[in-house]
Amino acid sequence: GAVVSQHPSRVICKSGTSVKIECRSLDFQATTMFWYRQFPKKSLMLMATSNEGSKATYEQGVEKDKFLINHASLTLSTLTVTSAHPEDSSFYICSARRTLNTEAFFGQGTRLTVV
Amino acid sequence: EDKVVQSPLSLVVHEGDTVTLNCSYEVTNFRSLLWYKQEKKAPTFLFMLTSSGIEKKSGRLSSILDKKELFSILNITATQTGDSAIYLCAPSGGETSGSRLTFGEGTQLTVNP
Repeated sequence: GAVVSQHPSRVICKSGTSVKIECRSLDFQATTMFWYRQFPKKSLMLMATSNEGSKATYEQGVEKDKFLINHASLTLSTLTVTSAHPEDSSFYICSARRTLNTEAFFGQGTRLTVV
Repeated sequence: EDKVVQSPLSLVVHEGDTVTLNCSYEVTNFRSLLWYKQEKKAPTFLFMLTSSGIEKKSGRLSSILDKKELFSILNITATQTGDSAIYLCAPSGGETSGSRLTFGEGTQLTVNP
């Protein structure tokens, strides 16, 4: 299957700082990328859908000013958690699709801890 | 609002048993339904279903989609301990471009030796 690389895999930051997470499709061009948040023993909660060259579509209840998503190219999307708080601590995972008619491949996820 | 309901939420079986996992959905502009297996971190892709009634198979796993009744099932025969994982279904659709991919709660499968 295709490879999606997510970086960093783990990050610890102080309250009030911002953290950027990168998601790269290494061997294909992704027209659509997704950002999810996963709580312990829970399913993947879709935060936003990102199409290359256009603004991300955020899910209801997700603050777009807090979770900044940039899909600058067909191989890179970034999620920036701004002014992080301890309640933002979670597992964030991205996925990427070539087209609407293909499967989505997942990155390995980022464990964010805000102290 | 899109809905995805998986059942059962949790299942414990013995090696060799056959299991059926269910996924029902209500999604605007439905395009396809995807199944994933999640063990530790990243979900791994199992199947993508776009047409009703056509069974997809991969080894001991198979899946089928019913677009009229809005559900899909995932079957695992002769289960092994390595099948223990969370199984997630995700219909692809959405109001604008049809690209939204939302997941159900998942079925936690535990296969005991």
